Formats: sequence, C-alpha cells, structure tokens
Amino acid sequence: GAVVSQHPSWVICKSGTSVKIECRSLDFQATTMFWYRQFPKQSLMLMATSNEGSKATYEQGVEKDKFLINHASLTLSTLTVTSAHPEDSSFYICSAPGAFGANVLTFGAGSRLTVL
Amino acid sequence: GDSVTQMEGPVTLSEEAFLTINCTYTATGYPSLFWYVQYPGEGLQLLLKATKADDKGSNKGFEATYRKETTSFHLEKGSVQVSDSAVYFCALSDLGQKLVFGQGTRLTINP
Repeated sequence: GAVVSQHPSWVICKSGTSVKIECRSLDFQATTMFWYRQFPKQSLMLMATSNEGSKATYEQGVEKDKFLINHASLTLSTLTVTSAHPEDSSFYICSAPGAFGANVLTFGAGSRLTVL
Repeated sequence: GDSVTQMEGPVTLSEEAFLTINCTYTATGYPSLFWYVQYPGEGLQLLLKATKADDKGSNKGFEATYRKETTSFHLEKGSVQVSDSAVYFCALSDLGQKLVFGQGTRLTINP
C-alpha cells in the first residue's frame, strides 16, 4: 500500500539552530503534500500546502520565513524550522493525497521536535 | 470557518463494551467526513469515510453515518477490543484535499 515516510522521527536541537524534516512518498508520486502541526493533546493544524515545483501555500498565521517548505521532486517535500525556539517544539506531520483517491490522505508517522 | 467538535476524552472501556465517540461539524458547503485513527507510535490512518448525506462508512467493525440534519458523524462499534486502543480523529474536507480535524479522542480498552 501507499506509504509516506518522515525523517527524522524525533529530533532534539538547541535554540537558534535550524532543523530539516523530510517527507517522502515511497511508492507513489505526490504533486501536493500537506504539513500539519500537532500540539500535545490537541488537534492537527494545517500549516501549509507544499506544491511540487512551485511555492508553498501557507495558512493564515503561519510564518513562511520561519517554516521553509521545499517540494523539489514528486516524492519529496522538506520542512525546515529556522532559528528554532522552544515554542516551536511540536509534532510535525506530513500527508499526501492520491494513493487511495484524490480526497484521501496518507499520513506520515510524524516528527517530534524538541527545542532546548 | 469550517470546524469539527469531538467528544472530550479520554474514554476508557472494558473489552466487548459498546463504543460511541460523538462528532459534530459546521461547514458552509457539503463536506466529506472522515474518521482517522492514530495507533501508538504510528501515523494517522483512514478508518472510514462518507462523502454525502445518509452515507454510512464502515471498516473493522466501526461505523459512522453522515447525518446532515444533525450535522453529525458519530463513530460506533458494537464490541471493542484491546487492539482498538488509539486516538481517534473526526475530520471534514470541504475544499478538496484540505482536512479540518477535531481535537481527537483517546480511547483505552482494558482487558
């Protein structure tokens, strides 16, 4: 079946550093990928839509200079948290449509970021 | 804007008990409705979906019926198992592929 892989699954970094999270569709192509953020015991909030070969579309209130998204190929999207601070600590999840129908998303297992 | 409200958790049941997790939504259009499940240490997986009013989604013994008149999509299962322990998310999609999630309900089934 369709698999979306995220790497790393967890990362700890110092405040002020940048962290890159990769999202790969392993056996299907994804022209669009979605990045979500999940706070503890809260719901998933859509951060941005990643578009292959063009700029990402950010949701209202999400800093595009803080959360850099690159979708360089049909199977890879990356989220870079720049100059991370403790308040950026969260669970970041990516998803991609298309493997089971256009309106059904396949989710990655998520990447837990802890900023010290 | 669109929103989804789920039953507050956590929910703890004994094995073979009947399960209901309530979900209501607000949407301007005619959304598709989904239940996703997140098992410990894993990503979200689609459990079931319904795309129009009165549709019933079902999978692994779980069911949910799209009720337009009550704007609800309650998740039910007649006899839960320990392996059903997970976090369940109700979600809607009113604009193609963008999903709006409820806050999630953590379910624990005790043997």
